[in-house]
Parts: sequence; C-alpha cells; structure tokens
Amino acid sequence: GESVGLHLPTLSVQEGDNSIINCAYSNSASDYFIWYKQESGKGPQFIIDIRSNMDKRQGQRVTVLLNKTVKHLSLQIAATQPGDSAVYFCAENRNNAGNMLTFGGGTRLMVKP
Amino acid sequence: GAGVSQTPSNKVTEKGKYVELRCDPISGHTALYWYRQSLGQGPEFLIYFQGTGAADDSGLPNDRFFAVRPEGSVSTLKIQRTERGDSAVYLCASSLHPGSAGELFFGEGSRLTVL
Repeated sequence: GESVGLHLPTLSVQEGDNSIINCAYSNSASDYFIWYKQESGKGPQFIIDIRSNMDKRQGQRVTVLLNKTVKHLSLQIAATQPGDSAVYFCAENRNNAGNMLTFGGGTRLMVKP
Repeated sequence: GAGVSQTPSNKVTEKGKYVELRCDPISGHTALYWYRQSLGQGPEFLIYFQGTGAADDSGLPNDRFFAVRPEGSVSTLKIQRTERGDSAVYLCASSLHPGSAGELFFGEGSRLTVL
C-alpha cells in the first residue's frame, strides 16, 4: 500500500515463515516491474523483476506474481530470515525509453527471531 | 569501483546555499540516474543520462536543480538557493543496458539536510 510520511505499512513475521508483500500499481501500460529491498542507510537493492508477458517468476527464495487484471504485484519470500528485515519497494517502468522507474510507497518487513 | 559511489554521504547546509552532490557510477555503465527519496517514501525520478547527455530531465522539480555528466562517467547534481523542502536522500543509480529496463544499481545516497 501507499505510505504516508513516516508511517510505512509494516509486515511482521516469524523467522522461518513465508512472507507475502503486496503492491498495487496504477498504470496499465507499464510493462516491467521490479522489487527492491532497502536496508537502513543504504540504497535500494534489486531483488527480482518480471515483464508484463509473464504472471510468475521465481528466484532464490523469492517469487514475484503479477496480476494484470487487477494491477497487482506481490513478492513472496520463503523461509524468511532476520537478514530479510528491510523496506521493500515495488517499481514499475512506465516508459520504454530508459529505466525511469516509478516506485511505490514501500512496506517494512520485520522478522522476529 | 565495485559499486556506485556517492559523495558526500551527508551534507548539512543553510537555506539559500548552493550544494553539489557527486556520483561515480559502475565502470562501463553508460546510463546514469538521479532519484530523490524523502523519509518514508519511495525514490522519485529526477533525471536520466545516456552518455554525456540528459535523455530525460522531466523529474527535476524546478530550475534550481541541474545535473551534468561532462565525460559520460561521473555526474554532479547541483542545487542552487537550497530550501528546507530540498532535504532528502539523493540516490544515484547506473545500468549497463539503457533503454531496455535492465537492472539498476543504486549507490548509498547523499543525505542532504537544509537548515
């Protein structure tokens, strides 16, 4: 969801559980989507991407699902670890010229040991 | 270097002053981007360079903001007559394959505080 000022949506999970972070995008013309992880004091780090001609893509412990009908994107993290604690942003490419990304508001993932 | 390098990591200035923020992209990356991130928000696009030229500067908020990349490598973001609302983390990113929505590599950012 969208964040308002300092109040990021927060997801708290137990270590070892699966996490699902959701994102809604607005532009039906977007053709490329990316999930980024941002730890405190660092820049965003690429996790996984997906193009609009796919509905699912898997990486190492992560899966991205794309539902174009409802303009919804989700990131699934299997066996969540303390090192996964961070803010997660979805981003969409609304312009085929260059990598100009539009970022969502972010979700804070907190992993309890 | 191994990653995108940004300097300074922190900059505190007074309202009305001029600041420069530097970005050294990954060697060989032709595309360079500046984003701005306010507290609790996602990064917002400012400007994109392909080589030495600004391919898209539509995200620059006003004419107090300007960026250059004279030799197609290091870039400098320049902010004139700073205002308190300019306070944010300024992120630089580079990519190897411009125009194909490839992976962006971000630096750790320059945190600007305008008093």
